Amino acid sequence: SQTIHQWPATLVQPVGSPLSLECTVEGTSNPNLYWYRQAAGRGLQLLFYSVGIGQISSEVPQNLSASRPQDRQFILSSKKLLLSDSGFYLCAWNRMGVGTEAFFGQGTRLTVV
Amino acid sequence: AQSVAQPEDQVNVAEGNPLTVKCTYSVSGNPYLFWYVQYPNRGLQFLLKYITGDNLVKGSYGFEAEFNKSQTSFHLKKPSALVSDSALYFCVRSGSSNTGKLIFGQGTTLQVKP
Repeated sequence: SQTIHQWPATLVQPVGSPLSLECTVEGTSNPNLYWYRQAAGRGLQLLFYSVGIGQISSEVPQNLSASRPQDRQFILSSKKLLLSDSGFYLCAWNRMGVGTEAFFGQGTRLTVV
Repeated sequence: AQSVAQPEDQVNVAEGNPLTVKCTYSVSGNPYLFWYVQYPNRGLQFLLKYITGDNLVKGSYGFEAEFNKSQTSFHLKKPSALVSDSALYFCVRSGSSNTGKLIFGQGTTLQVKP
């Protein structure tokens, strides 16, 4: 069966520090991978998605970047965090194609202080 | 543009009563629709989906949803609510591209009171 791992679960970082959040998927190959941010426990904003190694699409301009160094690994990064980067970050995967459900990691609560 | 709308920020029901969480979708594109649930500080869990076929879709934890093409709706329902059903519910649709991108509604908080 497929599983998705996301870590860390919580993170407190000072303004201006770097960020690296990691997500890995097991039990499948060539998944679509996504990073979402959820503010104030409400709607999800798609930040990045990837359909293959090294292929990253950014949905919104921001202080963050994403990379996919391996087929089942997706990393969210920042060189210098801003207060506005605080939020709940969710990694997800699904299979290529319209109508395929996505599966989510447990999320990372990031607080920038 | 493709979209989904959840008109209610919050729904309150008493335990044991039936519940409905509303969702409408825009007409453009294929209406591949999903429901997800999120418990506090957790990731989203897939409940059910409609792709084609029977308009009544059954999912996890006793939930079901009815696809109504004439009303462009996909309401989530459960015959008898439990306190443990209290959570944030998202109506979601599949985007038109082949990437598998999902389009989320704003979410509805369901509060079930004992």
